[in-house]
Amino acid sequence: DAGVIQSPRHEVTEMGQEVTLRCKPISGHNSLFWYRQTMMRGLELLIYFNNNVPIDDSGMPEDRFSAKMPNASFSTLKIQPSEPRDSAVYFCASSLGTSGRRVGYEQFFGPGTRLTVL
Amino acid sequence: DQQVKQNSPSLSVQEGRISILNCDYTNSMFDYFLWYKKYPAEGPTFLISISSIKDKNEDGRFTVFLNKSAKHLSLHIVPSQPGDSAVYFCAARGSSASKIIFGSGTRLSIRP
Repeated sequence: DAGVIQSPRHEVTEMGQEVTLRCKPISGHNSLFWYRQTMMRGLELLIYFNNNVPIDDSGMPEDRFSAKMPNASFSTLKIQPSEPRDSAVYFCASSLGTSGRRVGYEQFFGPGTRLTVL
Repeated sequence: DQQVKQNSPSLSVQEGRISILNCDYTNSMFDYFLWYKKYPAEGPTFLISISSIKDKNEDGRFTVFLNKSAKHLSLHIVPSQPGDSAVYFCAARGSSASKIIFGSGTRLSIRP
């Protein structure tokens, strides 16, 4: 298994531009999470999905942020327009969740996307 | 409002000695706790977990202790090795079956 895949690994953009981060969760996992890591706040949960449905987006900082999960194998996090304070490492994670009789709470993280907004 | 707190941002331990990382939580409804380890330029990786019905879980050099009355858990690493140098995150499962809440992390450095 390739694990959680994120792209791009690094993104440098100018203020005001649209940024799209992509994630492919581990096959068979029912839950997907987007996190942001900064020096000040550590690991913040932005949003998570269960079975492709957004469950909790209370961590999304503003309307400039949006996330979608059109199918079980793909999710995007979009920032439009981007601002310098959005610079951070963005992680995607997936977990088994509750799948039939199996339950798994451990989350498996991707390598992250380092976003720099100039 | 931080529900999971790691009050020590950093810790330095000599190789071969015991490393003890601490974590406090405020929500008595948390029922599952996890520790993650993170190397630079990589995502966090799951290390060890404990259910609230237990007070200890051991896996090789790693042991997690849970004190529910004090709302405190700790991770013991013994003996500490250079490869243990990383940031360690404590996490707790919230009311949702999927959502977990992370602490701010403790950077552990193992010195020779």
